[in-house]
Amino acid sequence: GQSLEQPSEVTAVEGAIVQINCTYQTSGFYGLSWYQQHDGGAPTFLSYNALDGLEETGRFSSFLSRSDSYGYLLLQELQMKDSASYFCAVRNYGQNFVFGPGTRLSVLP
Amino acid sequence: GAGVSQSPSNKVTEKGKDVELRCDPISGHTALYWYRQSLGQGLEFLIYFQGNSAPDKSGLPSDRFSAERTGGSVSTLTIQRTQQEDSAVYLCASSLSDSFNEAFFGQGTRLTVV
Repeated sequence: GQSLEQPSEVTAVEGAIVQINCTYQTSGFYGLSWYQQHDGGAPTFLSYNALDGLEETGRFSSFLSRSDSYGYLLLQELQMKDSASYFCAVRNYGQNFVFGPGTRLSVLP
Repeated sequence: GAGVSQSPSNKVTEKGKDVELRCDPISGHTALYWYRQSLGQGLEFLIYFQGNSAPDKSGLPSDRFSAERTGGSVSTLTIQRTQQEDSAVYLCASSLSDSFNEAFFGQGTRLTVV
C-alpha cells in the first residue's frame, strides 16, 4: 500500500517563498504529483516529478528525491490567490492516484 | 465537453434512500477515477476504471457502494441505503490513459444525507 505525509497548515506573507514537504511510503512508485484545490473547487494539476531533481513551472517548482522518499512543492512570490490546499499524490503504473492529506496554505497581506 | 462534468452538483437525500451520481469524463480519456472528500479532508480513493480492464474497487467502503462505466465513457456511482456518514463531496477525475500522471477533476457532487 501507499501512505503520504504533509504538514496540515502553512502560513506565509505575500511575496514570500514557502515550501510544502511530502514524504511517502509506497510498495511501488511511478512519480509524485502536486495538486492545488481552492475552497469549494476541484483539484487542479500543478506539477509532476518522475525523476530526482527540480521541475520548474513559473512561480512553482517541485522537487523529488526517490532515495529519500521525499518531495516538496516550492511556491515563490506568493500571491493572495495562492491561498488554497495543496496535495501531493503518488501513483503506481496502472493504478489509482493516492493523495496525501493536504496542506492548507494561508497567504497573509 | 471541455472538461469533466459531474451531475448533480448538489444532492440532498433522506437516510436510507439510494442515490446515483454521474460523471462524464473528457472525451478520449480511458482512465476514470472516483474519490470522496469530506469537509477539510483529503481525497479518499473509491474506484478506478481503465479501458476495458476490470475496475479496481479496492477503495469502496462497503457493499452499499457500486459503480459502472458504460461504453468506456460515462460512469455512475451508486450508493444504496444512504447513511449520514456518506455525506461528502464525490469527485470524479479522468486521465488520458494509465500512463499519464495528470488527472482532470470535475467540480464534484456534494451529497448531504439527512
